[in-house]
Amino acid sequence: DAKTTQPPSMDCAEGRAANLPCNHSTISGNEYVYWYRQIHSQGPQYIIHGLKNNETNEMASLIITEDRKSSTLILPHATLRDTAVYYCIAHGSSNTGKLIFGQGTTLQVKP
Amino acid sequence: GAVVSQHPSWVICKSGTSVKIECRSLDFQATTMFWYRQFPKQSLMLMATSNEGSKATYEQGVEKDKFLINHASLTLSTLTVTSAHPEDSSFYICSAIGRQRAFFGQGTRLTVV
Repeated sequence: DAKTTQPPSMDCAEGRAANLPCNHSTISGNEYVYWYRQIHSQGPQYIIHGLKNNETNEMASLIITEDRKSSTLILPHATLRDTAVYYCIAHGSSNTGKLIFGQGTTLQVKP
Repeated sequence: GAVVSQHPSWVICKSGTSVKIECRSLDFQATTMFWYRQFPKQSLMLMATSNEGSKATYEQGVEKDKFLINHASLTLSTLTVTSAHPEDSSFYICSAIGRQRAFFGQGTRLTVV
């Protein structure tokens, strides 16, 4: 899996959009960009994934640049419950599913 | 949606004893499951890949005789921490792959006293 780089921490005001960046400049053609988050003392939770097109689901939007070297996870209206560590992982579709976690971004949503 | 259930959520044990943690995929079959360990303020570290019907594959530096993994069915993998010591105290998390994504258990907080 390609290495990803994320800022260690970010703050966001409640109700505002949270934009979490991720750099994956060495991503290969068959690797998807996955986002998971981990709320304190819980197992990680899947958020969204994409290959090259932008994706949206009920939780978030994923914007992937045209060259696929970076992406942004957008939480459109952050709430206090969105405070968590967010992990961006580049993962090949042919892989068995072994995910390697980096340090992630700690998002603190403030009232 | 697909759910992975892990049990127990927390356990306290005495040094020298063994502890078993169960990981179940509730509505899908998982031929492969993964075990992670997480120390405070650190990221998840992959320990091993659990393969149904065969031996587990351990990551470098993880002692296979200390962390016994059994994957006897398509829905259950177990991790046994043998002869536990205080340095084994950690948060243990399992995962299984379904529908192109990983589903994680709730985690097990192990405290060895």
